[in-house]
Amino acid sequence: DADVTQTPRNRITKTGKRIMLECSQTKGHDRMYWYRQDPGLGLRLIYYSFDVKDINKGEISDGYSVSRQAQAKFSLSLESAIPNQTALYFCATSRGSGLEQYFGPGTRLTVT
Amino acid sequence: DAKTTQPPSMDCAEGRAANLPCNHSTISGNEYVYWYRQIHSQGPQYIIHGLKNNETNEMASLIITEDRKSSTLILPHATLRDTAVYYCIVRVGGFAGYGGSQGNLIFGKGTKLSVKP
Repeated sequence: DADVTQTPRNRITKTGKRIMLECSQTKGHDRMYWYRQDPGLGLRLIYYSFDVKDINKGEISDGYSVSRQAQAKFSLSLESAIPNQTALYFCATSRGSGLEQYFGPGTRLTVT
Repeated sequence: DAKTTQPPSMDCAEGRAANLPCNHSTISGNEYVYWYRQIHSQGPQYIIHGLKNNETNEMASLIITEDRKSSTLILPHATLRDTAVYYCIVRVGGFAGYGGSQGNLIFGKGTKLSVKP
């Protein structure tokens, strides 16, 4: 969905490096989410934010942090990247209580 | 959460209707049926959702049986671009937070739909 953009789209980094993935949306949604997808494991929620001043841990938040800089921006940081954080990362947005979520195109992260 | 069962794969001829079934026999009265799809390595795409009544939008129709124990997603005129994994998800209405019974979208294995020319 072009209304939700993620940068970078691909990234290769080394173990121990700090990495930031960025997400921007023009949908005007209040809620934003970060997921990771691994083969055979489906989508797992990392963090979510209901508004600018609200940040919540998801299922697998260890090793990650987030920042909601504005309603439209939600960034995910890997403080010290490790190889098992190699995955496809998706940002998503929703309005209000919705499980009707709109996903970005994903960032493929490889940690060597 | 109600568990869903979907066939692992289905084929459909281009231009024909694709009917994707989902069983959710333990669904509760306040649980909605959501459908998403994911084209290879792209972000999941919301398709449609419903509670009791049949629903239709520009992408698809959702038929929910009267007892709500099963549903069918219908793509009326499948194209090659509809080739994707389709996920049926049963959740209480609204994302109230992670944890317990009010967690996030849980994508199971879904149905891999292959639309063939």
